[in-house]
Amino acid sequence: GNSVTQMEGPVTLSEEAFLTINCTYTATGYPSLFWYVQYPGEGLQLLLKATKADDKGSNKGFEATYRKETTSFHLEKGSVQVSDSAVYFCALILSGYALNFGKGTSLLVTP
Amino acid sequence: EPEVTQTPSHQVTQMGQEVILRCVPISNHLYFYWYRQILGQKVEFLVSFYNNEISEKSEIFDDQFSVERPDGSNFTLKIRSTKLEDSAMYFCASSEGGVSQETQYFGPGTRLLVL
Repeated sequence: GNSVTQMEGPVTLSEEAFLTINCTYTATGYPSLFWYVQYPGEGLQLLLKATKADDKGSNKGFEATYRKETTSFHLEKGSVQVSDSAVYFCALILSGYALNFGKGTSLLVTP
Repeated sequence: EPEVTQTPSHQVTQMGQEVILRCVPISNHLYFYWYRQILGQKVEFLVSFYNNEISEKSEIFDDQFSVERPDGSNFTLKIRSTKLEDSAMYFCASSEGGVSQETQYFGPGTRLLVL
């Protein structure tokens, strides 16, 4: 079936460090891919998305590229801030309406 | 900025009781969803709803669950007879359209604890 695998957290980084959160997927076709973020006490918010191979999604300094050859959609940011501390979820939709999420990766950025 | 709201934020209930979780989707959105997240596990899709009908549901969404849009603004999830394993965070979401690339906007969730 279709599934998403994310790197285990928690990830702890110092402010201004480089961030990578790995996400790989298994799908029977060509899904749309998403990164959602959940800040403490809030709902899931769309961070970025990509709908076809080689597309790059970007928002708030975060980027992820849809790599069909490696079935990956890794999230990166060049310089993290304390305010980026949150839980990050990779997700896919293949068809229909159901987002299929990974387990989430908790990020803590320290000053 | 418009947002999805959910009430209550927390609910504690006894096993076997009925619960209704409420959501107010974004006003011009046409597609509505419920997801849940059991502690320490993935966010899981339950059901999608469009034009007053269920459009897709997962195997989790059995006869104990039902959804309704009782008026022009609310969208509810009812669990008829709660079980211990229904304890989870329940998220409501809505989207303007129903294609796979459409962004789903999530509410802050209702934490349900079944004792």
